[in-house]
Amino acid sequence: SQQGEEDPQALSIQEGENATMNCSYKTSINNLQWYRQNSGRGLVHLILIRSNEREKHSGRLRVTLDTSKKSSSLLITASRAADTASYFCATEGGSNYKLTFGKGTLLTVNP
Amino acid sequence: NAGVTQTPKFQVLKTGQSMTLQCAQDMNHNSMYWYRQDPGMGLRLIYYSASEGTTDKGEVPNGYNVSRLNKREFSLRLESAAPSQTSVYFCASSDRGSTGELFFGEGSRLTVL
Repeated sequence: SQQGEEDPQALSIQEGENATMNCSYKTSINNLQWYRQNSGRGLVHLILIRSNEREKHSGRLRVTLDTSKKSSSLLITASRAADTASYFCATEGGSNYKLTFGKGTLLTVNP
Repeated sequence: NAGVTQTPKFQVLKTGQSMTLQCAQDMNHNSMYWYRQDPGMGLRLIYYSASEGTTDKGEVPNGYNVSRLNKREFSLRLESAAPSQTSVYFCASSDRGSTGELFFGEGSRLTVL
């Protein structure tokens, strides 16, 4: 069964606006990762946040992690049409290095 | 640097036929994975190989077999394809002990009639 669940399932915004996606998970984790998938392509890693971290930045991306609520958020600032893609959170727990993915959020950025 | 290469990119099978999806990575990664992606289901792990010589079942292993041929290659075999195995298959690799980031191939789209 899926560990992470993204919310919302779909999000449509205008270019220049910020986009926020949320991920909730069920069991304890070592780290949480966010991936992007352009239509018809493979997934690309965006950012990783470890369980002892609360916030992380990478360019226009900001990720937060609240382990007490078992949730994470991905904020994309000043969005561009090229940010249109599906975004997935993935959690890793235990020592087996397996990643469990959520069902994704489809982000559409309108020019 | 090719990264993760999957073949074939597209395949149509009839029910009961067999086929093997090939995956190779050139990043010297220890771990390799096979996922399937279905509409509305996200990615589900089929099998993974934590290191050369080991393989383990993931969430949805039934109907599949895998072979970790060497450190570079990890193949996925469908012995008797079923329509329920119509999906997009992704191979990925990672460097255990490092960031844990997965590097994905471009996917193999399989249709079983």
